[in-house]
Amino acid sequence: EAQVTQNPRYLITVTGKKLTVTCSQNMNHEYMSWYRQDPGLGLRQIYYSMNVEVTDKGDVPEGYKVSRKEKRNFPLILESPSPNQTSLYFCASSLTSGSSYEQYFGPGTRLTVT
Amino acid sequence: LAKTTQPISMDSYEGQEVNITCSHNNIATNDYITWYQQFPSQGPRFIIQGYKTKVTNEVASLFIPADRKSSTLSLPRVSLSDTAVYYCLVGDMLGAAGNKLTFGGGTRVLVKP
Repeated sequence: EAQVTQNPRYLITVTGKKLTVTCSQNMNHEYMSWYRQDPGLGLRQIYYSMNVEVTDKGDVPEGYKVSRKEKRNFPLILESPSPNQTSLYFCASSLTSGSSYEQYFGPGTRLTVT
Repeated sequence: LAKTTQPISMDSYEGQEVNITCSHNNIATNDYITWYQQFPSQGPRFIIQGYKTKVTNEVASLFIPADRKSSTLSLPRVSLSDTAVYYCLVGDMLGAAGNKLTFGGGTRVLVKP
């Protein structure tokens, strides 16, 4: 089954404790992206990647890192999480890096930083 | 940047047609317009995509005028299960890596019995 998976689905952590949220897709997609969603703010893009070793900042990259060492994986790293990073996070991928943007989204990771 | 503007919310009743208009004044020549549906605590789901004129699939139609500065998603004969947030998405072309995508604020559609 074609899908985007994220782990963990739920995470409660404390300020400053490094964490990684994994994202993996099995569709051989070139493009992958991370979003965060907060009440009243819709979906905001954090980082995106056009292909292996190619990443760039989205609208809200501060406090996050990403890497793209393999085509299927695009982990989101929070080196020193803070309470304002409490949010619902979605990973997405799409087949093409051209002008067509049919993205497939993962189920989401709900992160709470205390 | 090809930002989008949508109504914040709209109500409808079962069996009616719902039309949501998205404004995207700065759309680029090669950009497509894509609509997504999102239920609470789930990832967005692709509904429809188009470049110009009209596109129709089994769940919706998308109308795009010649100037492409707006688009209208049409949901025919909605049911209670169509209650969701609908996002209009237009691709940006920024950065050395290529595309930077921006979601609009979304339109919360409530379908009443």
